[in-house]
Amino acid sequence: QKEVEQNSGPLSVPEGAIASLNCTYSDRGSQSFFWYRQYSGKSPELIMSIYSNGDKEDGRFTAQLNKASQYVSLLIRDSQPSDSATYLCAVKRSGAGSYQLTFGKGTKLSVIP
Amino acid sequence: GAGVSQSPSNKVTEKGKDVELRCDPISGHTALYWYRQSLGQGLEFLIYFQGNSAPDKSGLPSDRFSAERTGGSVSTLTIQRTQQEDSAVYLCASSLGWLATDTQYFGPGTRLTVL
Repeated sequence: QKEVEQNSGPLSVPEGAIASLNCTYSDRGSQSFFWYRQYSGKSPELIMSIYSNGDKEDGRFTAQLNKASQYVSLLIRDSQPSDSATYLCAVKRSGAGSYQLTFGKGTKLSVIP
Repeated sequence: GAGVSQSPSNKVTEKGKDVELRCDPISGHTALYWYRQSLGQGLEFLIYFQGNSAPDKSGLPSDRFSAERTGGSVSTLTIQRTQQEDSAVYLCASSLGWLATDTQYFGPGTRLTVL
């Protein structure tokens, strides 16, 4: 069974700190990795995508991928109260079934002013 | 441009009734997906369309669920004889293609409540 695991939280960080969100996946065929942000009562919104081992930075967000360890993370620098949301990790495999996103249950982040 | 739109935004129905949920994808997106998100659960894949055909219906939870897509655009998800366990937010997403690198963009969802 293909699974994506996340710590459900809540993860509480003070404003201005770095928030670190982690995700592990079981399917070694996973090829593409996505972080979505979901505010309460809203739909998921793409934050970052990453396809190669290493780091990918976009503004205050950095995604890190380690395929050998089957681990992907999202760092949020200078956390703001507006970052308070649930962060969903999602993966896609290559080849057959490459269209399907498999989601973790999400980590709830709370940034304390 | 316009994003994915869904209607209705909220639907309250009685157990045993049929419901239809509608999704209008981003213009030009050939792939369309339906997901379900129940309280406290992750997003659950239901069905996927390439154009008008649905090569993967494996996520549909029962034969009460069906979906169609016409003209390579609008899709409807139909739930017959609704049950209380069908209560959830039904999310539609679309993407340009169906490759692993194609990003899926989500609509606002339809919140279904079965009484």
